[in-house]
Amino acid sequence: GAGVSQSPSNKVTEKGKDVELRCDPISGHTALYWYRQRLGQGLEFLIYFQGNSAPDKSGLPSDRFSAERTGESVSTLTIQRTQQEDSAVYLCASSLGPGVQETQYFGPGTRLLVL
Amino acid sequence: SQQGEEDPQALSIQEGENATMNCSYKTSINNLQWYRQNSGRGLVHLILIRSNEREKHSGRLRVTLDTSKKSSSLLITASRAADTASYFCATEGSGANSKLTFGKGITLSVRP
Repeated sequence: GAGVSQSPSNKVTEKGKDVELRCDPISGHTALYWYRQRLGQGLEFLIYFQGNSAPDKSGLPSDRFSAERTGESVSTLTIQRTQQEDSAVYLCASSLGPGVQETQYFGPGTRLLVL
Repeated sequence: SQQGEEDPQALSIQEGENATMNCSYKTSINNLQWYRQNSGRGLVHLILIRSNEREKHSGRLRVTLDTSKKSSSLLITASRAADTASYFCATEGSGANSKLTFGKGITLSVRP
């Protein structure tokens, strides 16, 4: 079936504007993850959803970042009042469940550039 | 903070040679996973090794795990130019949280 999809694939915005990034997980996957990857770096965990609930928001870097998930499907990551340091690739992943040893399937990411 | 630390940071080999990449971590884990990322694309899961396993194979990939040393290695045998990518190890902690913690990655270049 279809993999994880993300949109937009690229986003250029001006400092101070809000942006919304979308993730469509694999159908039937109850767990959904957001990560941020700065240039040349590994992935930073942002937030994790189990169903529509977010039991772990520990990675959100500031209150400008928020995320929601509806219908145990689509998730939106919103960054308000964007700053230049928010420039990165934002990756979404989904897995069958939150249990241990579940493979995470990644989307292609959204490249965000804040000017 | 990043749990997994890979080494070397960059590796360049000739096609046909074997590539060995290492990962060290600091805290107890449930499992360790290796991912590949081609330039500008999402990550692809390669292999998962559980904390009670010592070695696992998948095609040309061989992963070892030494929990006493808190380290893992990924061996790619008979490398191909198409193996050129960044490789990340990720650890899943032993707590209730199933969060994956990634290292900074190793850049592998395989010269044809």
